[in-house]
Amino acid sequence: DTGVSQDPRHKITKRGQNVTFRCDPISEHNRLYWYRQTLGQGPEFLTYFQNEAQLEKSRLLSDRFSAERPKGSFSTLEIQRTEQGDSAMYLCASSLAGGPSNEQFFGPGTRLTVL
Amino acid sequence: RKEVEQDPGPFNVPEGATVAFNCTYSNSASQSFFWYRQDCRKEPKLLMSVYSSGNEDGRFTAQLNRASQYISLLIRDSKLSDSATYLCVVNTGNQFYFGTGTSLTVIP
Repeated sequence: DTGVSQDPRHKITKRGQNVTFRCDPISEHNRLYWYRQTLGQGPEFLTYFQNEAQLEKSRLLSDRFSAERPKGSFSTLEIQRTEQGDSAMYLCASSLAGGPSNEQFFGPGTRLTVL
Repeated sequence: RKEVEQDPGPFNVPEGATVAFNCTYSNSASQSFFWYRQDCRKEPKLLMSVYSSGNEDGRFTAQLNRASQYISLLIRDSKLSDSATYLCVVNTGNQFYFGTGTSLTVIP
């Protein structure tokens, strides 16, 4: 499968624990995005990488959230000291800079439940 | 003010009907526009990009009005398989802004 993959698909954790999610983009894509989606809402932008550089972060991304893309390929999103309000679907998407009209391709998401 | 506004619906239409969704955006500097489809508990998937001259893909027609900052999606001859949430997406700078989505149910 050459699409975007995410791991794990589901995560249940207790409040206060740290969690880390992984995203593997489409191999030739140099742009990678993280989004959060809650029920009844569209995805909300969290952060964006071009290659290994994190170029933009949303105000939604509190200091408990950190994302990395160390070699410009896969990315990780870590949430420290999770809160119940962090429960959501975390989506990763990738695109190719200069590709046809900036189309993004999404992974299946990681569904986080904080108890 | 939200970057992208969409009527959440729901739209319930019979098979074969024509249905139209609308979306407005707030930033006149936005440069790219898309419609995505999202099935229940699945990831969004690109339905079509929206070009200034309007574009068509089979039963789907997308239009963009930059002066009014308005995007539309028309679905003709609705099929049961068209039932999903349709997300309007606007690219401004490095960010992509999603509408809340419009829910469509096509009824037999």
